Amino acid sequence: KQEVTQIPAALSVPEGENLVLNCSFTDSAIYNLQWFRQDPGKGLTSLLLIQSSQREQTSGRLNASLDKSSGRSTLYIAASQPGDSATYLCAADSWGKFQFGAGTQVVVTP
Amino acid sequence: EAGVAQSPRYKIIEKRQSVAFWCNPISGHATLYWYQQILGQGPKLLIQFQNNGVVDDSQLPKDRFSAERLKGVDSTLKIQPAKLEDSAVYLCASSQRTGGYGYTFGSGTRLTVV
Repeated sequence: KQEVTQIPAALSVPEGENLVLNCSFTDSAIYNLQWFRQDPGKGLTSLLLIQSSQREQTSGRLNASLDKSSGRSTLYIAASQPGDSATYLCAADSWGKFQFGAGTQVVVTP
Repeated sequence: EAGVAQSPRYKIIEKRQSVAFWCNPISGHATLYWYQQILGQGPKLLIQFQNNGVVDDSQLPKDRFSAERLKGVDSTLKIQPAKLEDSAVYLCASSQRTGGYGYTFGSGTRLTVV
């Protein structure tokens, strides 16, 4: 059974610092790994999708890497802004079933 | 393209009452999912449909939860009777196909059972 862990559970940084969010998964047989953002009381917004054959994906200030052999994915957010404050979740797609981590709650202070 | 639509946005009910949630996926998305997200936790899959057939309902509490997807499009999730521990956000998601295509989520329904 796939298990997904996100560390740290919470993170607070001053504006302008780079953010590094970690996601680990136990079963390397994945189709893809997806990163989501969730604002309080809202649904999940997809940020990046990395296919199993890819090593990384980039979108603006966001970059996500995937290392299947070690069961890890990392989300980098460059030059953080207060608007980046949210909970970030990763989800591993194994055989058509998405297993989510519990998320990392990020606060970016002005 | 229009996103995944869910209603209602919020619902407050007393324990032992019943409640129903509705989801309309993105047009053409064959796979539909219902997730339960308890505060502070990641979403947990309740049921997965492929068109109008159930693919996985292993984590659905079938003594009180039921779901259907008529004609392979809209879906409803029902809880009867509700318990306090059912308080959560219920998220609907859809995907083009199972495996490899990513998910699009709706805004969710926040259920509070008092």
